[in-house]
Amino acid sequence: EAGVTQFPSHSVIEKGQTVTLRCDPISGHDNLYWYRRVMGKEIKFLLHFVKESKQDESGMPNNRFLAERTGGTYSTLKVQPAELEDSGVYFCASSQDSQSYGYTFGSGTRLTVV
Amino acid sequence: AQSVTQLDSQVPVFEEAPVELRCNYSSSVSVYLFWYVQYPNQGLQLLLKYLSGSTLVKGINGFEAEFNKSQTSFHLRKPSVHISDTAEYFCAVSDHDDYKLSFGAGTTVTVRA
Repeated sequence: EAGVTQFPSHSVIEKGQTVTLRCDPISGHDNLYWYRRVMGKEIKFLLHFVKESKQDESGMPNNRFLAERTGGTYSTLKVQPAELEDSGVYFCASSQDSQSYGYTFGSGTRLTVV
Repeated sequence: AQSVTQLDSQVPVFEEAPVELRCNYSSSVSVYLFWYVQYPNQGLQLLLKYLSGSTLVKGINGFEAEFNKSQTSFHLRKPSVHISDTAEYFCAVSDHDDYKLSFGAGTTVTVRA
């Protein structure tokens, strides 16, 4: 079984540019989550999809972040325009049920805004 | 929301020595507890989890953790570490029936020969 796949693994962009991160969950997993870790801090929840619907986006930092999950398969997280404080590692996870014990995490995307 | 404290940010240890990573959490309600590991240039991998039952939980790669409800702790231990255990370790907590994880800040373990 393929795991959770994230693209790209690394991205370096200039302040003000746009970046789109992609996450392919495990096939059949209806639940998809985004987390991020900014430098030296805790990994924090961003949002949760069930199929194509956003169940909880309470962790999204501001309206420069837009997450989508068209068709309930892969998800994208767009940052527009990027700011320096957006630098960090963005993790995606998926699970079959909406339970914390069922997560499988991807390898993350390291975003550097310069 | 849960608060998770990992008491040590860096733990240097010699190969074949024991290691203990400390984790405390804030909640007074029933919780699930997890330890994740991130090896260099890799993603988060589940080491072990406590959902219910025996308070001593065994995980992969010889790690174990003990849930102590009265002390709200979930410390991770390994009796003899290898160079390959060099990684960052994260303690995480969630309330029962919640899908969100709250993470600690991480503990970097560096194993030296």
